[in-house]
Amino acid sequence: KAGVTQTPRYLIKTRGQQVTLSCSPISGHRSVSWYQQTPGQGLQFLFEYFSETQRNKGNFPGRFSGRQFSNSRSEMNVSTLELGDSALYLCASVYGTGVYNEQFFGPGTRLTVL
Amino acid sequence: KNQVEQSPQSLIILEGKNCTLQCNYTVSPFSNLRWYKQDTGRGPVSLTIMTFSENTKSNGRYTATLDADTKQSSLHITASQLSDSASYICVVSKTPQVSGGSNYKLTFGKGTLLTVNP
Repeated sequence: KAGVTQTPRYLIKTRGQQVTLSCSPISGHRSVSWYQQTPGQGLQFLFEYFSETQRNKGNFPGRFSGRQFSNSRSEMNVSTLELGDSALYLCASVYGTGVYNEQFFGPGTRLTVL
Repeated sequence: KNQVEQSPQSLIILEGKNCTLQCNYTVSPFSNLRWYKQDTGRGPVSLTIMTFSENTKSNGRYTATLDADTKQSSLHITASQLSDSASYICVVSKTPQVSGGSNYKLTFGKGTLLTVNP
């Protein structure tokens, strides 16, 4: 079974630009979560999608948005990029129910904002 | 405020030695605690998950313990190998994770960076 795939793996942008990142969850997984990881803050939750609906949102500004398609693939968009948006963006697909619900992370997209 | 604190921030050990990583949390109400291993340039991979009623759980050379009364967990690595070099992240869940159901909220520690030297 293929794992979680994220594209692109690396991205360099300049301030003010916008960027779209893509995530394909494991086949059969309907829930996708996005995280931002920086050395100073660690992993921070961005949002969670289930069946094309945003079910949860972290404490990030409105410049961060996402969506999920009917095939469970998800995209996140960051508009008006700032230097502080440089980070590793991780996507996770979720399997199972209850407390043993398991998250499988993708390799991440490394975004550098110059 | 829900927090997860990990110690030490970084650790260097020699191959073959044991080590223990610590995780203290204030997340409430507690649902479960997970330890993840993250290799450089990769996403985190789950090592163990423990609920309130579980005191210890093992995964090969990794053994996690949980004291829900003191809100502390530890990850013990036995007979370390070079491939154990990674960041180890403690994650505490506030409510049960239910796909297709209610919301969930995870609080992540900042991780312990372990380096195993030959």
